[in-house]
Amino acid sequence: DAKTTQPPSMDCAEGRAANLPCNHSTISGNEYVYWYRQIHSQGPQYIIHGLKNNETNEMASLIITEDRKSSTLILPHATLRDTAVYYCIVRDDSGGSYIPTFGRGTSLIVHP
Amino acid sequence: EAGVAQSPRYKIIEKRQSVAFWCNPISGHATLYWYQQILGQGPKLLIQFQNNGVVDDSQLPKDRFSAERLKGVDSTLKIQPAKLEDSAVYLCASSLAHGGPGGNTIYFGEGSWLTVV
Repeated sequence: DAKTTQPPSMDCAEGRAANLPCNHSTISGNEYVYWYRQIHSQGPQYIIHGLKNNETNEMASLIITEDRKSSTLILPHATLRDTAVYYCIVRDDSGGSYIPTFGRGTSLIVHP
Repeated sequence: EAGVAQSPRYKIIEKRQSVAFWCNPISGHATLYWYQQILGQGPKLLIQFQNNGVVDDSQLPKDRFSAERLKGVDSTLKIQPAKLEDSAVYLCASSLAHGGPGGNTIYFGEGSWLTVV
């Protein structure tokens, strides 16, 4: 079973910020939060990951709460091409064997 | 850098027939994954290889599914005999084997779409 919970769907107006929440209340100290997205008919694509500090790259920002029990992926200026299913997963990057498990994700629809 | 390559892209077979999917991971990636994704659901891990050894295959239906990665590079996933419920996208992915931040980022291929009729 996935160790994260996400809302099944969200929508956002083009040009506005899209804020996608993820709950990972059972996360352990060694586990990173990873975000992927899957555009229709394509394989999932890596977006961003973090441990406890907020992270930003050219695609998105990741805000992780201080207790690390939840996080938010922010697409600062959503475009129609950001319409996709967004997956939040947690995984241990300490080098041991780990099974990456995906839930159903959040289906984000960006409308004009 | 070339991504994860998969073939065929699409396949339609009748139930009880067999099918094989091929995957070439990103060069240098020791870890290879096969996922099954049924329409409307997230990817479900079938098998994970570390080089040519199996790390986890607990969710692989071994009575009909098999996978191999003989030389630690390319991999093949086979279904024999296929059932209607095997209709899905079969995603191959790879990642570097070492730990550390970002060392386990998973890169996915485009997937192989299977329809069993």
